[in-house]
Amino acid sequence: AQTVTQSQPEMSVQEAETVTLSCTYDTSESNYYLFWYKQPPSRQMILVIRQEAYKQQNATENRFSVNFQKAAKSFSLKISDSQLGDTAMYFCAFMIYYNQGGKLIFGQGTELSVKP
Amino acid sequence: SAVISQKPSRDICQRGTSLTIQCQVDSQVTMMFWYRQQPGQSLTLIATANQGSEATYESGFVIDKFPISRPNLTFSTLTVSNMSPEDSSIYLCSARPDAVNTEAFFGQGTRLTVV
Repeated sequence: AQTVTQSQPEMSVQEAETVTLSCTYDTSESNYYLFWYKQPPSRQMILVIRQEAYKQQNATENRFSVNFQKAAKSFSLKISDSQLGDTAMYFCAFMIYYNQGGKLIFGQGTELSVKP
Repeated sequence: SAVISQKPSRDICQRGTSLTIQCQVDSQVTMMFWYRQQPGQSLTLIATANQGSEATYESGFVIDKFPISRPNLTFSTLTVSNMSPEDSSIYLCSARPDAVNTEAFFGQGTRLTVV
């Protein structure tokens, strides 16, 4: 069975600074996808960034980047130049693409507060 | 992309009753899912809604408690049956447009309170 662990229930950062959210996962599969989703108070889940396991290059999306360490089964999210609008719950998620119907398995979440 | 609308957005229900949540997608999608998010917790998959056949339930969830319909490629319903206070949660509908697109889209959820 696959598991996803986020060990930081809460984090805070000053506006314009950089913060890193941690995520580890466990799987015996070799082909899978990893995601970071953001859930603001509106409850709307928003995809922040995704990483294909077969790609060695770390994904980046503007101020968001990941540090993907496949051997260590680690997938951290770095947010640069933090903005007040980044305040949200962040979920790390795992998906096996071809098996199990492409369902997502989520970590426990990290609540991020960006302070002015 | 896909835009997902869920109804109702919230409801307060009496224990022992049932509530049906509707999920409408603005385009045809291959896969639809229902998740539960208990207060302050993560999302747990309830089931995969299969078009034209019975839903596939995850361990710990059963059809009698959470019957699901999916009559076509844009619509699904989740019923929470014989509710108890432990069913108070946010229920989210999710969809993936096709087998190639790995991004999952989500509705805004239904906040259910059982009293």
